Amino acid sequence: EDKVVQSPLSLVVHEGDTVTLNCSYEVTNFRSLLWYKQEKKAPTFLFMLTSSGIEKKSGRLSSILDKKELFSILNITATQTGDSAVYLCAAIPLLSTSGTYKYIFGTGTRLKVLA
Amino acid sequence: DAGITQSPRHKVTETGTPVTLRCHQTENHRYMYWYRQDPGHGLRLIHYSYGVKDTDKGEVSDGYSVSRSKTEDFLLTLESATSSQTSVYFCAISDTGFPYFGPGTRLTVT
Repeated sequence: EDKVVQSPLSLVVHEGDTVTLNCSYEVTNFRSLLWYKQEKKAPTFLFMLTSSGIEKKSGRLSSILDKKELFSILNITATQTGDSAVYLCAAIPLLSTSGTYKYIFGTGTRLKVLA
Repeated sequence: DAGITQSPRHKVTETGTPVTLRCHQTENHRYMYWYRQDPGHGLRLIHYSYGVKDTDKGEVSDGYSVSRSKTEDFLLTLESATSSQTSVYFCAISDTGFPYFGPGTRLTVT
């Protein structure tokens, strides 16, 4: 059974700290991995990672994929209270026979940043 | 933001009543999804569609049905709502990459 596991489940840090969120996956015919940020509303897209070892960056956030060890990490440097959210990762298998992308989500890491 | 809306945004209903949630998109994306999100379970796929009238089950489809008669609309129906279906429901759309999510519908079954 395909699955995505995120750790830690929750994390509390102080402003200015650096955090690393983990996402491991066991997915048949893996294609890509996604990271989302979810505040008290719909998840919003952060990164899509397809190639192993290539870091993607957006401001203080960065992410990398290791396809050999089947995991990804999301780093947030110089955290701010606005980074408080649930961070979700999702794996994308190769297309099914119907051509559908069936995203497999982890349960998320809840990050709280204290002022 | 992607053009995706859900209605209603909030609903309280009684056990045993039918409920229909609507997802509407203006992006002309081929794929549409219904997820439910519950504490400790993350996002779980209920049903998905890969074209007009083409739908299939996800991992938690029992008690739910869907219909897609137009590219832009994807309906989720709870035939007889139960308390275990109290949840936040998200619709998502995608084309060839990552999904965009709608704002969600909070459904409470009393």
